Amino acid sequence: GDSVTQMEGPVTLSEEAFLTINCTYTATGYPSLFWYVQYPGEGLQLLLKATKADDKGSNKGFEATYRKETTSFHLEKGSVQVSDSAVYFCALSGSARQLTFGSGTQLTVLP
Amino acid sequence: ETGVTQTPRHLVMGMTNKKSLKCEQHLGHNAMYWYKQSAKKPLELMFVYSLEERVENNSVPSRFSPECPNSSHLFLHLHTLQPEDSALYLCASSRGGATQETQYFGPGTRLLVL
Repeated sequence: GDSVTQMEGPVTLSEEAFLTINCTYTATGYPSLFWYVQYPGEGLQLLLKATKADDKGSNKGFEATYRKETTSFHLEKGSVQVSDSAVYFCALSGSARQLTFGSGTQLTVLP
Repeated sequence: ETGVTQTPRHLVMGMTNKKSLKCEQHLGHNAMYWYKQSAKKPLELMFVYSLEERVENNSVPSRFSPECPNSSHLFLHLHTLQPEDSALYLCASSRGGATQETQYFGPGTRLLVL
């Protein structure tokens, strides 16, 4: 079945540091890939998505590239801010009629 | 109000109680979802409704009973729950039932079963 593996957290960075959160997946066919973010006390929000190989999703300075050859969709940001502190979820939609989520990565950015 | 709202935001119940969680979406969407978010576990999809018809039921125990009276409202009826059911229950909606579509989430109901 489909699965998503994210790097375990928590991740703690200083403001303006470079961020990478790794995500790899297992799926049949050609899944769509997503990054969702959950700020404290809130539900999940779509951060970015990519629907086919080599697509790059981007939003709010975050980027992720759909790499079929490595089955990866790593999230990156060049300079994080304190307001980026949240839990980040990688997800895919594949052959099943549902989103499959990773376990989430807690990011804390210190001033 | 806009987006997806959920009530109550917090709920404490005993194992013999009956309670209901409510979700309302103001986005004109046709599909709605219930998820369970437990500590240190991936989000688990519980139920999917598309055009008020249940299309997914992921082996959820019968002590959870969903209801979708119209495309804007979704309920989760709870009875004789167990302590391991304590979690954050998230509702989401999307324009259609295809999973490539963006799902919009509510803030969740934090449930504690004693």
